[in-house]
Amino acid sequence: GDSVTQMEGPVTLSEEAFLTINCTYTATGYPSLFWYVQYPGEGLQLLLKATKADDKGSNKGFEATYRKETTSFHLEKGSVQVSDSAVYFCALPHTGGFKTIFGAGTRLFVKA
Amino acid sequence: GAVVSQHPSWVICKSGTSVKIECRSLDFQATTMFWYRQFPKQSLMLMATSNEGSKATYEQGVEKDKFLINHASLTLSTLTVTSAHPEDSSFYICSGSDRGNLNTEAFFGQGTRLTVV
Repeated sequence: GDSVTQMEGPVTLSEEAFLTINCTYTATGYPSLFWYVQYPGEGLQLLLKATKADDKGSNKGFEATYRKETTSFHLEKGSVQVSDSAVYFCALPHTGGFKTIFGAGTRLFVKA
Repeated sequence: GAVVSQHPSWVICKSGTSVKIECRSLDFQATTMFWYRQFPKQSLMLMATSNEGSKATYEQGVEKDKFLINHASLTLSTLTVTSAHPEDSSFYICSGSDRGNLNTEAFFGQGTRLTVV
C-alpha cells in the first residue's frame, strides 16, 4: 500500500545552517506530494507541494523536488532560522481516496 | 488555501463528562473530513473518516461509541468524546478535502487540546 518514510529526528541545527529532511514514498501512480509544517501547539499547515514529476515546490525559502526515479521528495532550506523550529511532515494523498498518508514527522530545533 | 476552522482550540473537562469539537470548512465543501489524534511528540493517528450524510468509518482500535462523529452537512463535522477520561487527553485535529478532487492537499483545523481532569 501507499506509504511515506521520512528521516527520524530530532534534527538540531544552528541558525543559518543548511537543512535537508529526507522523504521517500511508495505509491500507485504519480500522486501529488506535500510537505506540512506544525508549529508548537498548532495544527498543520501546507508548506509546499508538487503535483508531478520534476516539479519543484517552494515556499518561505524551503524547496522540494518531486523525483520519480528515486521516489523521493526531500525538503531543503539553505539557511534556517530559529522561527523554523517545528515538526515537518511529508505526505501524499491516498491513491483512490482522500485520506492523506503522513510520514512520522521530523522535529527540527534551530539554535540561535 | 482553503480554511478549516476548528473549535474550541483548547478545553478542560471533568472526568465522565462529554466534550464536542467542531470542524468547519469555511470556503469550500468538504465531502469528507478526517479526525486525527496526536500524542506528544508523535505523528498524527487517523481516528476516523466521515462522509457527509453517512456513518463515519473508524480505524481499527478506535472506539466508535466513545468518539462519536457527525457530518451532517458539507461544511460541518463534529467529534464528541463521550464519558471522557484522563487517557483521552490529547491533541485532536480535523481536516477536510475539497469535494471531487482526489489529488489535492488536505486542509487542517488549528487543533483542539483536550485535557481531562
